[in-house]
Amino acid sequence: DADVTQTPRNRITKTGKRIMLECSQTKGHDRMYWYRQDPGLGLRLIYYSFDVKDINKGEISDGYSVSRQAQAKFSLSLESAIPNQTALYFCATSDPGRGSLNEQFFGPGTRLTVL
Amino acid sequence: KQEVTQIPAALSVPEGENLVLNCSFTDSAIYNLQWFRQDPGKGLTSLLLIQSSQREQTSGRLNASLDKSSGRSTLYIAASQPGDSATYLCAVDERGSTLGRLYFGRGTQLTVWP
Repeated sequence: DADVTQTPRNRITKTGKRIMLECSQTKGHDRMYWYRQDPGLGLRLIYYSFDVKDINKGEISDGYSVSRQAQAKFSLSLESAIPNQTALYFCATSDPGRGSLNEQFFGPGTRLTVL
Repeated sequence: KQEVTQIPAALSVPEGENLVLNCSFTDSAIYNLQWFRQDPGKGLTSLLLIQSSQREQTSGRLNASLDKSSGRSTLYIAASQPGDSATYLCAVDERGSTLGRLYFGRGTQLTVWP
């Protein structure tokens, strides 16, 4: 089984709808991240969480919110989706305290299309 | 703000060639540098991680070097194969209060044809 899973894998929605993307991990890592990838722009950080009580905005947090329900779960919400939020969304985990030098491990991604 | 650049943006080569992919970054205060592989529509697979104190890392046919002072890394792929076709991403992990955030380049799209 994959260590980092994301649901759904694909989603098509309409402008104005509320959408939640979910991420779960079995690696036991404290740190979790949400990135989005747009063609030609690379990956950009939306939000990150260093533990259940610590959530921080990334460089493009406007229009998004997150919830860290447990060490293993980190959800990303779009309160009112807009077409320019169409992108590939990735969840990642890391744990520098385990001697892994903060190597990040990524989920398979969620392809979101907002019409 | 850290900026990561990858050159070339795309590369198409015949099978068997040795390749060099380049990555540069603007702020040398990095914790480590990671190279990832991404297949179309798929997630990222970590290939190599180089600590800021290291000069290179090797895994099979892949060798990554790091020159922190000049802000450069290269990924060397020996004896390329069609299965190497993918996008290769470079990312740096910056020291400081936001330790753990990765800054990504836009990637090099590699095609290896038989």
